[in-house]
Parts: sequence; structure tokens; C-alpha cells
Amino acid sequence: TQLLEQSPQFLSIQEGENLTVYCNSSSVFSSLQWYRQEPGEGPVLLVTVVTGGEVKKLKRLTFQFGDARKDSSLHITAAQPGDTGLYLCAGAKVDNFNKFYFGSGTKLNVKP
Amino acid sequence: DAGVIQSPRHEVTEMGQEVTLRCKPISGHDYLFWYRQTMMRGLELLIYFNNNVPIDDSGMPEDRFSAKMPNASFSTLKIQPSEPRDSAVYFCASSPVVRNTIYFGEGSWLTVV
Repeated sequence: TQLLEQSPQFLSIQEGENLTVYCNSSSVFSSLQWYRQEPGEGPVLLVTVVTGGEVKKLKRLTFQFGDARKDSSLHITAAQPGDTGLYLCAGAKVDNFNKFYFGSGTKLNVKP
Repeated sequence: DAGVIQSPRHEVTEMGQEVTLRCKPISGHDYLFWYRQTMMRGLELLIYFNNNVPIDDSGMPEDRFSAKMPNASFSTLKIQPSEPRDSAVYFCASSPVVRNTIYFGEGSWLTVV
């Protein structure tokens, strides 16, 4: 059983559509990160959120950390083919903030 | 600046053989992590080091797996003997400080036949 559950697992949408990816857990995290991974490469950090209720924006991407610091969401506005990839959330628990647990990932395909 | 460098990028080996994966972290980073990624289990943390000292190896699957960090610029992950279920992408990553960005290498793709 994954500590962090991501949904949906797969998402295939048309260019221009909006989408939201969810990352949920029953555990509380001291911080949560979102990564994007392209085929044949390692994950690359998009954002880190540390405060409950925090919202961060990165161009068309909006990240939110849940008030209770147990969940997070990633919203993409007007998706583009360049957004295609595997999106991973990763959380560090409050009792060991050095150790990041990764979710199973959401595979996004944006069709032109 | 050079990122995390891993070698080999791809390895195909026969069951029972010893496999050694190598990693050079980003200079100045205090933390080094070894992860394994598979379709079934996603990205799993195997072990991490702080200032060359292993801190948490609870993710190492079996005694067949071992990791060392003899100095700040080099780490190895060894599998002996290898089994087909060890086939995966192994990532090395490094981080400068706690809760900061984890920088991943490009991965070592291991296939055990």
C-alpha cells in the first residue's frame, strides 16, 4: 500500500483543457513536493509546499497543500502537449523530514 | 554545472551475476539517495546518506543489496546475486539541505535475465 495515493493514474486530454491531479494520504506531512518526469529521465522538482492551505502558482500550474497537510492537488490550466509526462507527488513525514515518500504517479498525455 | 551522474545508463545481466551501479552526486550536496522505480511499485527509497554516513536503509529489499559512500563524491549500489525481479530503473539523487530540492540523475536501467 502506497503512503501517498495519486489519482487519476492515467489522464489523456486535448490541448487547451484543464485538469486536476490529486495526492492523498492519511498521514500528515511536514512538506510536500511535486515532480514531473519525462521518459528516460529522472524526476524534476516543480514546487515545494510546506504550510497547510498554501497555494503556489507556476505559470499555468497551481499547487495546493491541504489545510491538514495530508493532501495536495495540482491544477493545470489550458494544458499543452509539452505538459505531457509523469507527475509525482512526494511527502516528508513530520517524524523524519529527510525521507520523502513518492506517490505512484499520474501519467498525463496532452494531445495536440 | 554538472548534475547527478550515474553509470551505467543501461545494463543487461544474467541472473546470479553481481551488479554495481555508480553515482557521483552534485558537489556540495550533503544528502545522497538511492531510489528504485518500477511500474508495479513506483518510486521507492532504498537508502539515503548524510555526509557519507548511511542514515536509513530500511528500504533496501534484501541482504543481496548493499550501498556504500566512501567519500562525498561517489556512491555505489551493489546487487549480489542479481535476480530477474531486480529489473528496474535505479535513480541516484542528491540534495544540499533538508527539505530542499532533490536532484535526480538520469537513472540506470537494469535488466536481469
